[in-house]
Amino acid sequence: NAGVTQTPKFRILKIGQSMTLQCAQDMNHNYMYWYRQDPGMGLKLIYYSVGAGITDKGEVPNGYNVSRSTTEDFPLRLELAAPSQTSVYFCAVGRTNQEQYFGPGTRLTVT
Amino acid sequence: GIQVEQSPPDLILQEGANSTLRCNFSDSVNNLQWFHQNPWGQLINLFYIPSGTKQNGRLSATTVATERYSLLYISSSQTTDSGVYFCAVVQGGSEKLVFGKGTKLTVNP
Repeated sequence: NAGVTQTPKFRILKIGQSMTLQCAQDMNHNYMYWYRQDPGMGLKLIYYSVGAGITDKGEVPNGYNVSRSTTEDFPLRLELAAPSQTSVYFCAVGRTNQEQYFGPGTRLTVT
Repeated sequence: GIQVEQSPPDLILQEGANSTLRCNFSDSVNNLQWFHQNPWGQLINLFYIPSGTKQNGRLSATTVATERYSLLYISSSQTTDSGVYFCAVVQGGSEKLVFGKGTKLTVNP
């Protein structure tokens, strides 16, 4: 089992470009999450989903969009990339009142 | 929202030493996890411990939910233990994991 996979591993964007970060799971967990981690900091929640078709904002949602059409996939969309979005992005999965498992991360630089 | 504070922020040890990392949280929690972020950035699950005590090899953790703190013990530390240790909690009634700022551990040979 692959667990939680994220693509790409690294990406450099120019200001104003858009991109989609992919997250996929084969663990059949209903909850999926997107976090960002800025240098020297803990992770902050961007968006999360409790199941297909249901998404909600986290602590830092501005500048991002998500959708969840299947249990397995939870893509994160950046529409107009800004330098403040330079960060490492982690996807995670979980079940109600159980531990969360994290993917390997995507390192994004916006210049 | 719930606040999570970790101490110390930085810790430097010699190989073989023991250490205790602390996590304080400001409200009742349904979920508490300890993670190790290795130097390559990977987040590794150490413990899922909303209450009680667990042990896994040289690592153990204790959460006293009524007093709103958790402790992570590392015994006989090794250089491979280096990295950042995060505590993260889910507040009652939520499914959102809130992270502390971490403890950066450096184990020197």
